[in-house]
Amino acid sequence: AQTVTQSQPEMSVQEAETVTLSCTYDTSESNYYLFWYKQPPSRQMILVIRQEAYKQQNATENRFSVNFQKAAKSFSLKISDSQLGDTAMYFCAFFQGGSEKLVFGKGMKLTVNP
Amino acid sequence: GAGVSQSPSNKVTEKGKDVELRCDPISGHTALYWYRQSLGQGLEFLIYFQGNSAPDKSGLPSDRFSAERTGGSVSTLTIQRTQQEDSAVYLCASSLAPVGSGFEQYFGPGTRLTVT
Repeated sequence: AQTVTQSQPEMSVQEAETVTLSCTYDTSESNYYLFWYKQPPSRQMILVIRQEAYKQQNATENRFSVNFQKAAKSFSLKISDSQLGDTAMYFCAFFQGGSEKLVFGKGMKLTVNP
Repeated sequence: GAGVSQSPSNKVTEKGKDVELRCDPISGHTALYWYRQSLGQGLEFLIYFQGNSAPDKSGLPSDRFSAERTGGSVSTLTIQRTQQEDSAVYLCASSLAPVGSGFEQYFGPGTRLTVT
């Protein structure tokens, strides 16, 4: 079974700083998808970024980028120029066609301080 | 456009009662998912639907849990004879997803269930 590990339960940064959230996963498959979701206090899960495993190029979305290391099974999220609105729980998730479900890590609480 | 909606937003029920949680997916989304979020277990997959059929019910924790989807749209998650360990936030998500595509899942705001 696939597992997703987020080893840092909590982090805090100052506004405008850069922060990196770590995620590792375990799978024997070669084709899959990885996601970072954000869950603010409103409880609504919001997609931050998506990576297809067969693509070597790291995904980017504005201030958000990933460092995808397939051989190491590592998928970290970098947030540049942190903003107060980035304060949230961040979940790393794994998806494989065939199982049709997201497998989530335990999440990491990020606090951005003014 | 409208996102995924869930009702009720919060539900408090007594142990032993049955509850129904509703999910309205984004129009046209063929795939629908239920997850449970609790402090002890994190986010767990419960069940998914492709159209009205549920190919994977492996995440349902016991036979007290059931779900259905009608008309390829609304889904209801039913918990019978609720127990205190059922207290959690139940999240629904939908996706415009051919099977195996890894498309984004759009989540609703969840239903917080408290069993007293």
